Amino acid sequence: GAGVSQSPSNKVTEKGKDVELRCDPISGHTALYWYRQSLGQGLEFLIYFQGNSAPDKSGLPSDRFSAERTGGSVSTLTIQRTQQEDSAVYLCASSLNSLETQYFGPGTRLLVL
Amino acid sequence: GNSVTQMEGPVTLSEEAFLTINCTYTATGYPSLFWYVQYPGEGLQLLLKATKADDKGSNKGFEATYRKETTSFHLEKGSVQVSDSAVYFCALSDHRGGSYIPTFGRGTSLIVHP
Repeated sequence: GAGVSQSPSNKVTEKGKDVELRCDPISGHTALYWYRQSLGQGLEFLIYFQGNSAPDKSGLPSDRFSAERTGGSVSTLTIQRTQQEDSAVYLCASSLNSLETQYFGPGTRLLVL
Repeated sequence: GNSVTQMEGPVTLSEEAFLTINCTYTATGYPSLFWYVQYPGEGLQLLLKATKADDKGSNKGFEATYRKETTSFHLEKGSVQVSDSAVYFCALSDHRGGSYIPTFGRGTSLIVHP
């Protein structure tokens, strides 16, 4: 069956440009999460969606980061005016609900030059 | 708030050695506990989980027991293989605390030598 997919798999951009990262969760999963994983670091929680709403946005590093989810399915994470410190692997995960196992996508590796 | 603390890595072992990776947690409710694994070049995947006190999760020879009295969920394997080399993440998910956010530890890198 289809797992969580993310696109693009790799993104190289110039400092100051905007980027949009996409996540397609497993069908029927109501909970969706975005994380950031920097080299040698653990998982940094960014934002969580239950359906289309985001009860907790406290993990977003700055107002340059935003995310939305439509139709209880696809989610996009947008980073405006990218900085070099935004370089990382951005992971998306989905689960049936917030207590259940999370299924992770392969991630988008972002490099800001 | 909730937190998960894992032992610092890397943990370096010889093949067939016994493995323990310690994990302790702080939670306001009654969490479910998880171990996720990230093999080199791959995404995170669930290794095992336990949903209530005294439950034992097991998979691929790995085990972890939910110990409420010590708030721990230590990962163990009796005989590691080179293919077990990966980063292991302990995590919890707690509904009653009002937080819907799973909390992850920082990860422990395991290196197994032949």
